[in-house]
Amino acid sequence: QSALTQPASVSGSPGQSITISCTGTSSDVGSYNLVSWYQQHPGKAPKLMIYEVSKRPSGVSNRFSGSKSGNTASLTISGLQAEDEADYYCCSYAGSPYVFGTGTKVTVL
Amino acid sequence: QITLKESGPTLVKPTQTLTLTCTFSGFSLSTSGVGVGWIRQPPGKALEWLALIYWNDDKRYSPSLKSRLTITKDTSKNQVVLTMTNMDPVDTATYYCARVYYYDSSGSFDYWGQGTLVTVSS
Repeated sequence: QSALTQPASVSGSPGQSITISCTGTSSDVGSYNLVSWYQQHPGKAPKLMIYEVSKRPSGVSNRFSGSKSGNTASLTISGLQAEDEADYYCCSYAGSPYVFGTGTKVTVL
Repeated sequence: QITLKESGPTLVKPTQTLTLTCTFSGFSLSTSGVGVGWIRQPPGKALEWLALIYWNDDKRYSPSLKSRLTITKDTSKNQVVLTMTNMDPVDTATYYCARVYYYDSSGSFDYWGQGTLVTVSS
């Protein structure tokens, strides 16, 4: 099972919106609506931001939203803030195995 | 309050077997829908899923590492143990344990431990 493909880096200015893509196959991302997104600040453990493609856990800002089309899932961060600067990973968990993405570094300019 | 914490050696020699323990609190691994998994991250690299054990003792492994991994649980101690045989320097990574709860956030990892760095070197 190959890692899901994400852009290495995405940047934006404060207040802007950015979108991170996550491309898989019909066997993972495209198979079920079971895609999650994690935020990871340097030296910290990942934090769940989105699950089941577009659902937010309690406490996660509504500036974070998710979607999916075919074999590609996307995470959009609206109203970009300095604290959003981090690495982001998608994950397909349609049963076994779990497959993580290659990771995207988000930089706030 | 849900917490998880990984423990184990920080340094192992090539060919040795690594044993990591995840000790958790705030939930029970005997509750339907609950699972605990292991994920690792080599320095500067992406996350990689390793294994997952469910409340009903169902176990799942990464296909690429299946022959080297064993995951077990001790419900009475609130612990999950991962063993990885034949360690190699490429296995140097931070190892995380994390919870899944199907009735809350489906199969996604909603709570994570702080991680433990394991270095493989002679």
